[in-house]
Amino acid sequence: GNSVTQMEGPVTLSEEAFLTINCTYTATGYPSLFWYVQYPGEGLQLLLKATKADDKGSNKGFEATYRKETTSFHLEKGSVQVSDSAVYFCALSLTGGGNKLTFGTGTQLKVEL
Amino acid sequence: DAGVTQSPTHLIKTRGQQVTLRCSPKSGHDTVSWYQQALGQGPQFIFQYYEEEERQRGNFPDRFSGHQFPNYSSELNVNALLLGDSALYLCASRYGTGKNEKLFFGSGTQLSVL
Repeated sequence: GNSVTQMEGPVTLSEEAFLTINCTYTATGYPSLFWYVQYPGEGLQLLLKATKADDKGSNKGFEATYRKETTSFHLEKGSVQVSDSAVYFCALSLTGGGNKLTFGTGTQLKVEL
Repeated sequence: DAGVTQSPTHLIKTRGQQVTLRCSPKSGHDTVSWYQQALGQGPQFIFQYYEEEERQRGNFPDRFSGHQFPNYSSELNVNALLLGDSALYLCASRYGTGKNEKLFFGSGTQLSVL
């Protein structure tokens, strides 16, 4: 079956530090890959996506590259801010992302001054 | 433009009871999905409704059922509640097609089963 594994949190960083959150996946077929972010008390928001191998998704300074050879989609940001504190979910879909999503367990990020 | 709205925001029930959760999709969105998010876990797909029919279903028992109305709003019903049904229930509506598809999530209904 399809599954997503992401690094456990919480991840605690100082402001302006470099961020990496690891994500690997197992899927039948050729999935689309996503990062969603969940701020406290809010629903999930799509952060970025990539729909085929070697695609790079980017948004708000965050980036992730679809690596088919390593079945990975690691999230990176060069300089985090306190406002980036949230829970980050890696997910896959066998369609464009409007249908069934399979999520990882989430990684909580805390950014301190 | 209102986003995806869910009601109620919080709900407390006891074991064995039945519950109905409601979702209004974003304007112009005709497809609604429901997810269950247990504490500390990622959301799990329950089912998806389009044109008032269930189109896809995740690995959830028949106690979980749903409905979609002509105005695209949706309900999630859970019968014979178990303690393990305590979770945040998220509704999402779909925009676009194919590789341009995108889901918009509501803030969820927090269900506590005592």
